[in-house]
Amino acid sequence: DSGVTQTPKHLITATGQRVTLRCSPRSGDLSVYWYQQSLDQGLQFLIQYYNGEERAKGNILERFSAQQFPDLHSELNLSSLELGDSALYFCASSVDHRGLEQYFGPGTRLTVT
Amino acid sequence: DQQVKQNSPSLSVQEGRISILNCDYTNSMFDYFLWYKKYPAEGPTFLISISSIKDKNEDGRFTVFLNKSAKHLSLHIVPSQPGDSAVYFCAASVNSGYALNFGKGTSLLVTP
Repeated sequence: DSGVTQTPKHLITATGQRVTLRCSPRSGDLSVYWYQQSLDQGLQFLIQYYNGEERAKGNILERFSAQQFPDLHSELNLSSLELGDSALYFCASSVDHRGLEQYFGPGTRLTVT
Repeated sequence: DQQVKQNSPSLSVQEGRISILNCDYTNSMFDYFLWYKKYPAEGPTFLISISSIKDKNEDGRFTVFLNKSAKHLSLHIVPSQPGDSAVYFCAASVNSGYALNFGKGTSLLVTP
């Protein structure tokens, strides 16, 4: 158990819909990262928040957004969902902004039908 | 653009033998490298890392070797155990950065 929690574990929704994925970092960690793992792909970095502020963006679509709240939990919002958004979404946390050792949650499996 | 490449999707090794997992990278700015291990239905877990100022780092049965001139790193597991069966991801980052760039993973199967 990494100490990072993600909810829900599974999510099935239809195209065009909007969903919210939630992540609680390890106690004491200030950074949260979101990654997407599509079929046969490695983990693709989406976005990082550090202590409530966006710190870095990766290959995140404009239809996706995220935020980190004062209690340091984070939410990833995915809207206008397409079939290709079906993937595993992982949240990770680290104690500082450099993210040299990141601790991953179990992931949320999103299926868009 | 895949900057970290793991060209072997799978590897099968007998218990007790050495497992060697390989990883190549293209970005010369990477200066910190990590290996993560992933079991089904779980998130990746950190295994071992190496800074670019070193060429070897060892932790128990796990050793990572870095060849900067070849932009290549490898993970050696000796001796391999059935519990090592998992997907292994190589990752790299720029030290002052934030994102880990992952390879697609190599599925290791250790047979009794």
